Amino acid sequence: EAGVVQSPRYKIIEKKQPVAFWCNPISGHNTLYWYLQNLGQGPELLIRYENEEAVDDSQLPKDRFSAERLKGVDSTLKIQPAELGDSAVYLCASSLATSRGLSEQFFGPGTRLTVL
Amino acid sequence: SQQGEEDPQALSIQEGENATMNCSYKTSINNLQWYRQNSGRGLVHLILIRSNEREKHSGRLRVTLDTSKKSSSLLITASRAADTASYFCATSRGGSNYKLTFGKGTLLTVNP
Repeated sequence: EAGVVQSPRYKIIEKKQPVAFWCNPISGHNTLYWYLQNLGQGPELLIRYENEEAVDDSQLPKDRFSAERLKGVDSTLKIQPAELGDSAVYLCASSLATSRGLSEQFFGPGTRLTVL
Repeated sequence: SQQGEEDPQALSIQEGENATMNCSYKTSINNLQWYRQNSGRGLVHLILIRSNEREKHSGRLRVTLDTSKKSSSLLITASRAADTASYFCATSRGGSNYKLTFGKGTLLTVNP
């Protein structure tokens, strides 16, 4: 079974340029997450989707970041315009919601963004 | 903001030795999870312990949870070079079991 797929794996852009990351979750997983991981830090949640609804986007900097999950499957995270401080690894994860609310999150390999 | 703090920040041991990593957190939790991250494979879930549990085992892993001290430990027995990775604790709290707050991680190096 394929895991969480992310692309691209690496992206180098100049500041003020736009950038987009794509995530394909594990088949059947209704919950999708985007995390930001700075060097030497743990991941921090940006946004969580249940199906196509963003149920927690409180940590998403909405002035420059946007995300969508059309049809409740694949998701795209966009930054426009990118700033130097956006250089980080962007992780996508998915999980299957259960009635007990406890579910392991499966992470993709991440996209390493470098903003010059 | 980070909820958990792992200790130590870095740990270097010889193959075959045991490795112990600790995690402290600040507020009451629903559960605590440990994840491993190495450069090739991203974050991998290791084990979850609920707030009403005190100890859990999975293969060579042993996790303890002390809610009175707001701390957890991860023990890896008979370590292998392949265990070299960063280890993170992650907590969920409040009304959401889905929102994980990660610590900064412990970098474990197992020398062959």
